[in-house]
Amino acid sequence: GQQVMQIPQYQHVQEGEDFTTYCNSSTTLSNIQWYKQRPGGHPVFLIQLVKSGEVKKQKRLTFQFGEAKKNSSLHITATQTTDVGTYFCADPPTGNQFYFGTGTSLTVIP
Amino acid sequence: GAVVSQHPSWVICKSGTSVKIECRSLDFQATTMFWYRQFPKQSLMLMATSNEGSKATYEQGVEKDKFLINHASLTLSTLTVTSAHPEDSSFYICSAMGLGGASPLHFGNGTRLTVT
Repeated sequence: GQQVMQIPQYQHVQEGEDFTTYCNSSTTLSNIQWYKQRPGGHPVFLIQLVKSGEVKKQKRLTFQFGEAKKNSSLHITATQTTDVGTYFCADPPTGNQFYFGTGTSLTVIP
Repeated sequence: GAVVSQHPSWVICKSGTSVKIECRSLDFQATTMFWYRQFPKQSLMLMATSNEGSKATYEQGVEKDKFLINHASLTLSTLTVTSAHPEDSSFYICSAMGLGGASPLHFGNGTRLTVT
């Protein structure tokens, strides 16, 4: 099945540093969702972006949808240990599939 | 909020046996449920899409006779791993989408399957 690529695959940051993960699709997305999965846990929905160029903020997290709706980014300002986990973008279903990106695993070093 | 309950949380079984995993939407009706498999440090790989009252749609490479999916009601979908082998050991997660196809997905807590 199709898959949305994310980079980087892994990221280690010192606590307090910023972090960004990028999501890229070869096709135009109708919208994009972001999820966070803590180690040993299940994915939890963070946000959905719909409009071209849309930017949304949740406290220290900033989500952006590209103008062409083929890419998206998640930026975390001043990371904390609670930000540890894997962040996935997801391509909501067109038809009967719901695919997740490859994910970026974030480690925050205290 | 929407809650999805998945049981069991973990299971250890012997090679050749079958294991059933249940996924229930507790406070909403789920017309569509998705089953994923996740290997350590990897992404969620869609196995199949389960629609209430109809046959599941399997992704390419997923054996429908090995991974039996039943979505008999709007609140319950089951995944049965038949004749399990050690290579089937993985983390299986279900997720549900509500009526009208409303996003986002609500996930169960997952099932850690170990086949010995």
